[in-house]
Amino acid sequence: DTAVSQTPKYLVTQMGNDKSIKCEQNLGHDTMYWYKQDSKKFLKIMFSYNNKELIINETVPNRFSPKSPDKAHLNLHINSLELGDSAVYFCASAKDRVSGNTIYFGEGSWLTVV
Amino acid sequence: DQQVKQNSPSLSVQEGRISILNCDYTNSMFDYFLWYKKYPAEGPTFLISISSIKDKNEDGRFTVFLNKSAKHLSLHIVPSQPGDSAVYFCAAINAGNMLTFGGGTRLMVKP
Repeated sequence: DTAVSQTPKYLVTQMGNDKSIKCEQNLGHDTMYWYKQDSKKFLKIMFSYNNKELIINETVPNRFSPKSPDKAHLNLHINSLELGDSAVYFCASAKDRVSGNTIYFGEGSWLTVV
Repeated sequence: DQQVKQNSPSLSVQEGRISILNCDYTNSMFDYFLWYKKYPAEGPTFLISISSIKDKNEDGRFTVFLNKSAKHLSLHIVPSQPGDSAVYFCAAINAGNMLTFGGGTRLMVKP
């Protein structure tokens, strides 16, 4: 039973389109994240979100927006996709305080913009 | 501005020998450090962590050392096994509960 699941795993789309990546966690965690792994393989935080607070990495373009219908879900919406958005996007979840092995990652969603 | 750096993109080690992966950081506000292991087409999985108030944490074949004055930590794997071949990410947390990752080091353990 997957703890953090993302869909779709692979997504190929044209520039200018709007797309969403869904994320669900069944761990009862309060905090969820989106990370982006770029072409240089760096993992960078995009958003941190719980019921109380959304923390946005200021370097993330406002074309990216997280949407959380409930505590178990944090979806990533991307508007007007650009070539540079091609990357692997990882969802993760954690208890309020990440102090060890309490953060769990999904398997990643491979986005290719053509 | 990379606050967490792994300067070696790859490392090759013979099976049975020690693997040493290094990580440097610049933000003195980091109070917890973690190592993650990542196989291709999978998400990172937690390996071992260390609090900033400690200088060593050991878990089986894996030991993490922290040198706060040098802002440096290292992961030792001994003995190395072929199944350890993966990309290893160093990560750090500050009070804002945000993980900052290094660029990763690809470890190859040769049989």
